[in-house]
Amino acid sequence: AQSVTQLDSHVSVSEGTPVLLRCNYSSSYSPSLFWYVQHPNKGLQLLLKYTSAATLVKGINGFEAEFKKSETSFHLTKPSAHMSDAAEYFCVVSERNFNKFYFGSGTKLNVKP
Amino acid sequence: GAGVSQSPSNKVTEKGKDVELRCDPISGHTALYWYRQSLGQGLEFLIYFQGNSAPDKSGLPSDRFSAERTGGSVSTLTIQRTQQEDSAVYLCASSFALLGGNEQFFGPGTRLTVL
Repeated sequence: AQSVTQLDSHVSVSEGTPVLLRCNYSSSYSPSLFWYVQHPNKGLQLLLKYTSAATLVKGINGFEAEFKKSETSFHLTKPSAHMSDAAEYFCVVSERNFNKFYFGSGTKLNVKP
Repeated sequence: GAGVSQSPSNKVTEKGKDVELRCDPISGHTALYWYRQSLGQGLEFLIYFQGNSAPDKSGLPSDRFSAERTGGSVSTLTIQRTQQEDSAVYLCASSFALLGGNEQFFGPGTRLTVL
């Protein structure tokens, strides 16, 4: 069975400091993994995805995530937070041979000036 | 090309009335999904259509909820005899995937308020 656990429901950082949003997954098959961002009153936007190529994936707006199979993790990072990064972030897993997606419960990122 | 569109963007209805929510996926996308996002909650999977296969309805919360996808394109989510707990944002997404791994593209959502 597939599932996603986002370990923090809320994360607060100061502008200019690093961001770490944690995600652990379980999957019976080779997974594809995604991070989506949802700004207030906006739609969901894909940040980045892992589909069995390089384990370190770079996305938009300076975000990146590393697939660690041994730790079943896909944590999202950014070296320096910007005020515009304040949003809710969702980690998603999909089975490679199927087409169903499993969402984590989301992490709300607050960026303090 | 155009992204996923949903209509209406907002719907206010009275308890007990039926509502229909529409989703226009990206042209050529074979898979279509409906999710529900309640206030302060994550995304709850409702139903999934893939090509001409039977839909996966495993996420529909009750028999008041149904969905169809006509001609492999437009989809309608119908909620009968709406209840206040149905108030949420209903999101539609589509993807082009014969195999998994392709990302979903989301519409802006329909905000449903049941009074």
